[in-house]
This record gives sequence, structure tokens and C-alpha cells, in this order.
Amino acid sequence: GESVGLHLPTLSVQEGDNSIINCAYSNSASDYFIWYKQESGKGPQFIIDIRSNMDKRQGQRVTVLLNKTVKHLSLQIAATQPGDSAVYFCAETVQGGSEKLVFGKGTKLTVNP
Amino acid sequence: GAGVSQSPSNKVTEKGKDVELRCDPISGHTALYWYRQSLGQGLEFLIYFQGNSAPDKSGLPSDRFSAERTGGSVSTLTIQRTQQEDSAVYLCASSPHFLTRTGRWRAFFGQGTRLTVV
Repeated sequence: GESVGLHLPTLSVQEGDNSIINCAYSNSASDYFIWYKQESGKGPQFIIDIRSNMDKRQGQRVTVLLNKTVKHLSLQIAATQPGDSAVYFCAETVQGGSEKLVFGKGTKLTVNP
Repeated sequence: GAGVSQSPSNKVTEKGKDVELRCDPISGHTALYWYRQSLGQGLEFLIYFQGNSAPDKSGLPSDRFSAERTGGSVSTLTIQRTQQEDSAVYLCASSPHFLTRTGRWRAFFGQGTRLTVV
């Protein structure tokens, strides 16, 4: 069945360093992926998305990489700031299907000043 | 309002009681989702409403769980005969378009309802 997992449940980095958060997915039919950021006590917020016809997509300080061969997704955050401390979730879905978005368990990112 | 609104923000209930959780989506959003988030866990899909189509209920964990969406707007998630394992944060999200129309899943989440069953 569908499932999305994570390689690391927690990640601690120094302010100013780059962060890489990884995610594995198992549904080979998934063709649309999203990263969400969830701060304590808040709902998830959209960060960046990528469709399966792309390998890389860049936003402001964030880059998402997609490797369909090994069903792996990563989120890179450049010059990590204390405000980036949060739990990051990857999610997958199949366009044209039920449009149900399946979330992974999340990686907690802690940025040390 | 400007965002998705959920009420109550916190709910403590006794085991065996029924609870109703409310979600007010962003006006005009046609899609509405309910997710459950247990402590330290990811988001578990519960149910999805899309316009006038039959909802996708495939994530509801048992027949104690049900949800309605009236008039294509407000949604209510009902949990009957609550159990301690139902304790979690229940999140609602709404989206302006179906994914296939825009190619983008622009869903906005509410703050959630923290349910505690004692």
C-alpha cells in the first residue's frame, strides 16, 4: 500500500549551515510530492512541491530533489536559521487519482544558534 | 476569515462519550480534508470531500468515525463512543481546486483540534 517514510527522525544543525532532510516513498505510482513545515502548535504549512517529470525544483532558500529510480525525496535548506526549527513532512499523491495526500512521519529539525 | 478555522481548539472528553469537531474552510474552497496526528507522529488521512462527489472515506479507522460537509462548506467530524486511542490532534485542510485542475495541491491547514480522551 501507500506509505511514506523518513531516513532520520531528528536533525540538529548549526545556524548558517545547510540542512538536508530525506524521505523515502513506496508508491511508484505517486507523481506529485510536497514538503510541509509544521511549527509547534500549528498546522502544516506548504513549503515546496515537485512533480514527477522534474528532478529538482528550487524555491527561496529551499530545494527539493526527486530521485524516482530509488523513490527518494529530499529537502535542502540553505543557510538554516533558527526560524527553520520545525517538523518537516514529505507527502505524496497520485494526480488524477483519489488526490489523497499521504504524509510521512516527519523529521524534527533543530537549529542551534 | 482568512484561514481554515477549527473548533474547539482543545477538547477533553470521557471515554465512551461522543464528540463533534468542526472545520470552517476558506470560503470558496471546493476540497476539504481531515487528518489525524498522534503525538510525535505524521498525519494520518481520514476523509476527503471534493465538491459534490462522494467523499473518500478510506482513511476512517472505524465505524465510530463519520464526517459530513454541509452545503459544500462547513464540515463536522464525529467520533462516537470515544476511546483513549482516539486522543490526537485532528487537522482539517481545504484547497481551492482539485489537484488535477491546477496541478498544484494548494491546501491550507487549520490549527487543529487537540482531543484528549480520559
